[in-house]
Amino acid sequence: GAVVSQHPSWVICKSGTSVKIECRSLDFQATTMFWYRQFPKQSLMLMATSNEGSKATYEQGVEKDKFLINHASLTLSTLTVTSAHPEDSSFYICSADGVGGKTEAFFGQGTRLTVV
Amino acid sequence: AQSVTQPDIHITVSEGASLELRCNYSYGATPYLFWYVQSPGQGLQLLLKYFSGDTLVQGIKGFEAEFKRSQSSFNLRKPSVHWSDAAEYFCAVGVQAGTALIFGKGTTLSVSS
Repeated sequence: GAVVSQHPSWVICKSGTSVKIECRSLDFQATTMFWYRQFPKQSLMLMATSNEGSKATYEQGVEKDKFLINHASLTLSTLTVTSAHPEDSSFYICSADGVGGKTEAFFGQGTRLTVV
Repeated sequence: AQSVTQPDIHITVSEGASLELRCNYSYGATPYLFWYVQSPGQGLQLLLKYFSGDTLVQGIKGFEAEFKRSQSSFNLRKPSVHWSDAAEYFCAVGVQAGTALIFGKGTTLSVSS
């Protein structure tokens, strides 16, 4: 099956610094990737939709200047959390749309971000 | 707007007992339906999916789900639960390619010995 690799699995950063999270589709091309945020014991909240070669579409309430998304190729999307603060600490998960237009999402393993 | 409801926040079952997790959706047509499982600190693992055809879907780890159009439901079942099944379970709906899945709030499954 299709594999999505997310890196890093966990990261600790200091408040005020930026962190980049990578999401790669390893064996297929993903025109569309999605970024989610998950708070403890809660469901996944869609942050943005990332389309290759164009600007990401952000959900209401998500700061596009804080959460920079770049989808420069058909196999890589990145999420950069800029000027991170402790409230940005969360679990971030990416997914890539499946092939064949069947809306089957393949998920990365997630990134645990802790801002200290 | 589309939505997914998982009525049970937390369920506890005895090891070896049967399990049913409920999922209802709101959408004008038949969506694509998914069940995912998530262990603490881990990503999502797809248990099973329904696109079309047979409404009883078999998945991994002995799980199955049944799509009932009249009830807008896609309940997950397992005849005999194992302690390793304790996790968070998410039902999700997809409506078209290029759009994100819509997730329910999840059901936490605890397994007692």
